[in-house]
Amino acid sequence: DTEVTQTPKHLVMGMTNKKSLKCEQHMGHRAMYWYKQKAKKPPELMFVYSYEKLSINESVPSRFSPECPNSSLLNLHLHALQPEDSALYLCASSQGGYSNQPQHFGDGTRLSIL
Amino acid sequence: AQSVTQLGSHVSVSEGALVLLRCNYSSSVPPYLFWYVQYPNQGLQLLLKYTTGATLVKGINGFEAEFKKSETSFHLTKPSAHMSDAAEYFCAVSDPRGGSNYKLTFGKGTLLTVNP
Repeated sequence: DTEVTQTPKHLVMGMTNKKSLKCEQHMGHRAMYWYKQKAKKPPELMFVYSYEKLSINESVPSRFSPECPNSSLLNLHLHALQPEDSALYLCASSQGGYSNQPQHFGDGTRLSIL
Repeated sequence: AQSVTQLGSHVSVSEGALVLLRCNYSSSVPPYLFWYVQYPNQGLQLLLKYTTGATLVKGINGFEAEFKKSETSFHLTKPSAHMSDAAEYFCAVSDPRGGSNYKLTFGKGTLLTVNP
């Protein structure tokens, strides 16, 4: 059982839709991350939140909009996505965002863009 | 800049055989090192990590890894493979000078298959 919970597990959306991915952790971690993973590839970092503030944006297109309402919750708002955005989206958290602290991953949301 | 090389995108072993998955890093300072496993349709699970201290690190599910600074390596081993070990394995590094908001740099992954 993972301690980082992501919903939904699967999402199919059209290119004009607006949807959101949700991630929750109750481990008291203060850093949270969004990754994108294509098939047979490693995860690619998208965003990092540290103490509920956006600290890293890896030049992600504006059609992806992250939000961290509180220390336990991380959202990723999606709008006007492209077919190449189809992927597994992984959320992770770590204790304080320092480099010796491992990241704990959720099981991801598998996104398909029609 | 850091980089990670996993030699062998696909490793196949027989059940009961030794598992050896290779990871080499390139970094101006010895990084922190992690091994993650990803089962089909799941996220990544931490197997083990090396940050400081003993260079032989034991992890979950019988895996262990040894940090060898002179060889810039952190290979993952398991004495006896089980069918349940079949998965994708990722080696990752982080910069000990990174402070907060650290990034993980992942290798390309090694798919382990276990034959009965």
